[in-house]
Amino acid sequence: RKEVEQDPGPFNVPEGATVAFNCTYSNSASQSFFWYRQDCRKEPKLLMSVYSSGNEDGRFTAQLNRASQYISLLIRDSKLSDSATYLCVVNSANGQNFVFGPGTRLSVLP
Amino acid sequence: SAVISQKPSRDICQRGTSLTIQCQVDSQVTMMFWYRQQPGQSLTLIATANQGSEATYESGFVIDKFPISRPNLTFSTLTVSNMSPEDSSIYLCSVWDTATYEQYFGPGTRLTVT
Repeated sequence: RKEVEQDPGPFNVPEGATVAFNCTYSNSASQSFFWYRQDCRKEPKLLMSVYSSGNEDGRFTAQLNRASQYISLLIRDSKLSDSATYLCVVNSANGQNFVFGPGTRLSVLP
Repeated sequence: SAVISQKPSRDICQRGTSLTIQCQVDSQVTMMFWYRQQPGQSLTLIATANQGSEATYESGFVIDKFPISRPNLTFSTLTVSNMSPEDSSIYLCSVWDTATYEQYFGPGTRLTVT
C-alpha cells in the first residue's frame, strides 16, 4: 500500500460548485498533514496545514480523521483560478521528511 | 517565509554527461531536501541534504548517481551524473522552516536529457 493515496481525478466542476478531495495515509504515527497546490509548470505551494480540530481558510476547509487515517479538503464556491493539482502531504514514518500524494487534478469550468 | 532560488532554471543535456543544480536560500535553514518530479507525476524525495555530513538518500537513489553537497546552512547542490533520458524531470530544492513549521520549494530545474 502506498504511504499516501489520492484520487488522481481530474475533477471537472462548474464555477460556483463545491468540491471535496480525500486523501488516505498508511502511517498511523504521522503527526503533520498539509494540502499543497501546484499550478502547471510551477513549484508546489502550501495551501493550508491540517489540524486535528479541522480548520477553515476562506472557501477552503480541511479535516483530519485520525481513526480512519484520512484527510479531506473542501472547496466552496469554486473559482476558475482554483484549477490546479492539489497535493496531500504527510510526514514520513521517521518523522524527518514528508511524503507527497500523487495529487488530484481540479479543473473549474466557466 | 524562506525564499529559494535555483540555477539553472532549465537545461537540455546529452546522455552520459552530468549537471549540477544549485539551490540558494535567503536564510539559514537546518533541513534541505531534493525532490524529483517526473512528467505527470507527484514529487519523490531523492535525499535530505545534511550540513557538514553526507546526505541521507531515499530508497532507489544512490550517492554515485546523485551526489549532494551542503557546505553551509543556506546552500546546496545536487548533481545528476551520467545522465540518461530517464533522468528527464523537474528537480526541486525544498527547505523546512522550523519557525513557521512549513515547507517551501524552489522554482525547480527542468532537465531534458537527449
